[in-house]
Amino acid sequence: DAKTTQPNSMESNEEEPVHLPCNHSTISGTDYIHWYRQLPSQGPEYVIHGLTSNVNNRMASLAIAEDRKSSTLILHRATLRDAAVYYCILLGGGSQGNLIFGKGTKLSVKP
Amino acid sequence: DAGVIQSPRHEVTEMGQEVTLRCKPISGHNSLFWYRQTMMRGLELLIYFNNNVPIDDSGMPEDRFSAKMPNASFSTLKIQPSEPRDSAVYFCASSFVRGYEQYFGPGTRLTVT
Repeated sequence: DAKTTQPNSMESNEEEPVHLPCNHSTISGTDYIHWYRQLPSQGPEYVIHGLTSNVNNRMASLAIAEDRKSSTLILHRATLRDAAVYYCILLGGGSQGNLIFGKGTKLSVKP
Repeated sequence: DAGVIQSPRHEVTEMGQEVTLRCKPISGHNSLFWYRQTMMRGLELLIYFNNNVPIDDSGMPEDRFSAKMPNASFSTLKIQPSEPRDSAVYFCASSFVRGYEQYFGPGTRLTVT
């Protein structure tokens, strides 16, 4: 499975946008980019995923670089509830592969 | 839907005892996953079922660990005999199809003394 690199931690102020980066320079053409997050004392939670085009849903936006070697998860207005560990994971298309969780980015949100 | 249900939420047991963790996936989901999370090793996939059949158990640490899925709505993870190093949070997750988004349960915190 291709590897991803994320910063260990980031800080944000409440109600400000947050951009969480992820590098995946060895991504293959069929790998989807998945984001999950884990709030304290809870199980991981699916956030968003994409292949080539930018994606939006009610939780976040995913911006994917043109060469697909990096991506950015965007939280448009951080809330205290968004404080969590965010995981960027590559998953092969066609139902191939399993989620392999790295260390992720621990996001702290200050009031 | 109530989401993925796991029981018990907390389990404290003594070394050598048998431990059984239970999971009810989301109705209609065909794939079920068991994970373990520790501070040292993070989140690790233990085993994955598709349509109640174990497909990949390469993450199961040793023969002391076994998992079953007798039907589409129930799975168990058993540790026999348990050891202190098995202390961790065990998560169950389900998805409609492998490769689709996974929905995780609240986890079972296991402490083996």
